[in-house]
Amino acid sequence: SAVISQKPSRDICQRGTSLTIQCQVDSQVTMMFWYRQQPGQSLTLIATANQGSEATYESGFVIDKFPISRPNLTFSTLTVSNMSPEDSSIYLCSVRLAGGYNEQFFGPGTRLTVL
Amino acid sequence: AQSVSQHNHHVILSEAASLELGCNYSYGGTVNLFWYVQYPGQHLQLLLKYFSGDPLVKGIKGFEAEFIKSKFSFNLRKPSVQWSDTAEYFCAVNAPGTGGFKTIFGAGTRLFVKA
Repeated sequence: SAVISQKPSRDICQRGTSLTIQCQVDSQVTMMFWYRQQPGQSLTLIATANQGSEATYESGFVIDKFPISRPNLTFSTLTVSNMSPEDSSIYLCSVRLAGGYNEQFFGPGTRLTVL
Repeated sequence: AQSVSQHNHHVILSEAASLELGCNYSYGGTVNLFWYVQYPGQHLQLLLKYFSGDPLVKGIKGFEAEFIKSKFSFNLRKPSVQWSDTAEYFCAVNAPGTGGFKTIFGAGTRLFVKA
């Protein structure tokens, strides 16, 4: 397994501002992902964070709204830009480990509330 | 597109009752299948996984799941639940998609076990 940390753990933000969420992993990983879990709903994949190149976004998510960086193998950031109350959600970092199968491990999440 | 269906959104059981949570997926090729659990206030944890071989998979805490390829199902079972099994359970499938393998989650099943 891996220890995945996310910062901040929670935040309350004003409409129109941006928040950057950090994800740090203590193991070598092959892939990093960002998910959103809205209240009472399942996990939705936002994008795959690619090291040194642009992230791969899922349908319905765009780089201008959710810019992602991954400068090295074990660190990634997700920014939620120009926030609105609809962005209130839990944002989760997830990884696949080098040498493992396709199972994914999840961070503790960042609980975002937009007023 | 691949999808995962969990038929029970809320389940309430008494301690010692048997549990079966249904999961069906839509992809017809080779898949990896998972059950994740999220205990109250905790992050997602891998409960069990299926990659190949014996279709009956044993996981942690006495859980097991059976892969039935002909039915596209991967149901989760436990013979006797405990109060500590109260949690949300997510079925997930890892299958090819645009840009590579992606893990798709079901909507989740909230299990409440009465002491």
